[in-house]
Amino acid sequence: QSALTQPASVSGSPGQSITISCTGTSSDVGGYKYVSWYQHLPGKAPKLMISGFSNRATGVSTRFSGSKSGNTASLTISGLQAEDEADYYCISYTSSSTLLSVFGTGTKVTVL
Amino acid sequence: EVQLVQSGAEVKKPGESLRISCKASGYTFTTYWIGWVRQMPGKGLELMGIIYPGDSDTRYSPSFQGQVTISADKSISTAYLQWSSLKASDTAMYYCARLTSYYYFDYWGQGTLGTVSS
Repeated sequence: QSALTQPASVSGSPGQSITISCTGTSSDVGGYKYVSWYQHLPGKAPKLMISGFSNRATGVSTRFSGSKSGNTASLTISGLQAEDEADYYCISYTSSSTLLSVFGTGTKVTVL
Repeated sequence: EVQLVQSGAEVKKPGESLRISCKASGYTFTTYWIGWVRQMPGKGLELMGIIYPGDSDTRYSPSFQGQVTISADKSISTAYLQWSSLKASDTAMYYCARLTSYYYFDYWGQGTLGTVSS
């Protein structure tokens, strides 16, 4: 089971919108609605941002939104803020592994 | 309130054994999978394995099969990750996390830093 592919880094200026992609296969991202996104700040536990590819977790800003098309899921951050600088990971259900989940490679978001 | 509280940081020598814990509270421990996730310095998150405490069904990533043991004690709502012989390459942050029936990890432990150095 290969990891889901994410860009290593994405950057944007405050106020801009950025999108992080998460590409898998028909056995994971493309075949199911079970894609989730996590924000990971240094020294902290990962934080659930999006589940079911588009459902914001409780308390998550509406600036974060998720979508999916074919084998690629996306996380969009609108109105980028300095506090959004972090690593972001996607995770998907997979029918190809007894682990039930496959992780993305992670994306470092930098606010310029 | 759901909580996963992990044991504290550990410093060990190569060849030593180690067991770290993840104590769950605020929900029925036996009805959710628990996953263990590794983050090596400067690297991404890796799923090591999962356990269903209800029946102790345990599954490992091929990368970790035979290298670690995942277990759970239902009587004290605690999951464990253990090594019998540590290597320097086991130095990492380790997280436990609860996997929901909709296949997302909704609660995470605070992380346990394991350092292996001679």
